[in-house]
Amino acid sequence: AQTVTQSQPEMSVQEAETVTLSCTYDTSENNYYLFWYKQPPSRQMILVIRQEAYKQQNATENRFSVNFQKAAKSFSLKISDSQLGDTAMYFCAFTTHNNNDMRFGAGTRLTVKP
Amino acid sequence: GAGVSQSPRYKVAKRGQDVALRCDPISGHVSLFWYQQALGQGPEFLTYFQNEAQLDKSGLPSDRFFAERPEGSVSTLKIQRTQQEDSAVYLCASALAGGSYNEQFFGPGTRLTVL
Repeated sequence: AQTVTQSQPEMSVQEAETVTLSCTYDTSENNYYLFWYKQPPSRQMILVIRQEAYKQQNATENRFSVNFQKAAKSFSLKISDSQLGDTAMYFCAFTTHNNNDMRFGAGTRLTVKP
Repeated sequence: GAGVSQSPRYKVAKRGQDVALRCDPISGHVSLFWYQQALGQGPEFLTYFQNEAQLDKSGLPSDRFFAERPEGSVSTLKIQRTQQEDSAVYLCASALAGGSYNEQFFGPGTRLTVL
């Protein structure tokens, strides 16, 4: 079974500082995709960053970057220069090329403090 | 609007009632997904459409749940004889191409409360 685990239910960070959110997953597949989604209090989920497992280079999107460790099945999200608008639930998610369902972790609630 | 829309945003039902939740995906998007999100949890997959074809309904929790997308655009998730455990936020997402590995665009969700 494919599972996604986020071990940090809540995190907080001071504005302008850096924070890292953890995610681990379990799969026997070799080709898969990993995502971080952000869900602000308004509830609309937004894609933050996407990583294809066959790509060794870590994905980056402006202030957001990932540390993808395939052997360790770890996919952490680093947010640099945190902003108040980054306050949200963050979900790590996993899927494969052959699956129709995306598996989500339980989420990490991130609060950015002024 | 350019995004995914869902209606109603909130629905209160008495136990045993039938409900219908609507999703309007982004125009031209081939894929449409339904998820159930319980309070404090991540979304859980319910079903997947590629155009009008329901290719995967493995996540539907019981035969009381039924989804359709007859013309390959708007989709409706119907829950018959609602139970308290059906209380959750129901999220719809669409993607331009087929497959769950493409970026999914989510709607705001419908919060269903079953009394």
